[in-house]
Amino acid sequence: DTGVSQNPRHKITKRGQNVTFRCDPISEHNRLYWYRQTLGQGPEFLTYFQNEAQLEKSRLLSDRFSAERPKGSFSTLEIQRTEQGDSAMYLCASSSPWERTDTQYFGPGTRLTVL
Amino acid sequence: AQSVAQPEDQVNVAEGNPLTVKCTYSVSGNPYLFWYVQYPNRGLQFLLKYITGDNLVKGSYGFEAEFNKSQTSFHLKKPSALVSDSALYFCAVRDFSGGYQKVTFGTGTKLQVIP
Repeated sequence: DTGVSQNPRHKITKRGQNVTFRCDPISEHNRLYWYRQTLGQGPEFLTYFQNEAQLEKSRLLSDRFSAERPKGSFSTLEIQRTEQGDSAMYLCASSSPWERTDTQYFGPGTRLTVL
Repeated sequence: AQSVAQPEDQVNVAEGNPLTVKCTYSVSGNPYLFWYVQYPNRGLQFLLKYITGDNLVKGSYGFEAEFNKSQTSFHLKKPSALVSDSALYFCAVRDFSGGYQKVTFGTGTKLQVIP
């Protein structure tokens, strides 16, 4: 069990560029979550996958944001036409199908800075 | 809608003294409650959870939390604080009343343990 991994750890981009982040969950976890965290705030839910199906999306997830999990393993989060307000830490978490409480285990996050 | 409140932005405690980080919750059904810790530029680490049963829950690194249904609280405690406990602590609540098992995080409490 190597834990949840995220790449890249840091991303600096110019306004208007597209960025893509990757999340690799714990291997046997079929549930995957994306959160956004800004300074001084707790994580805010963005979207949730069970296997390859995207079952829930937050209203925070504007049409510039898209997430995929094509084979039910790793997931990508893409932000198109980035804006300065997108600067945040993007966190990925996964949980096991065998645990009733769905405890979520988090990756280290990707810090995005939009100039 | 479910929510959690962490009324203190920061808690200062001397090393060796007991610590308490407060959390209150609001849910429509039976809550699952969690505490996570976040070190600088890192993801969240799971500390402990309450599902049902004993109101005192023991977790990682000597932390425990007390569930109080009448006061809708789930305070995090440790008998003797360490400098290495200095971090950001998040309370979270999950309920199943909305179909999708959403987790809502508080805004976090910064714990500073003074040597």
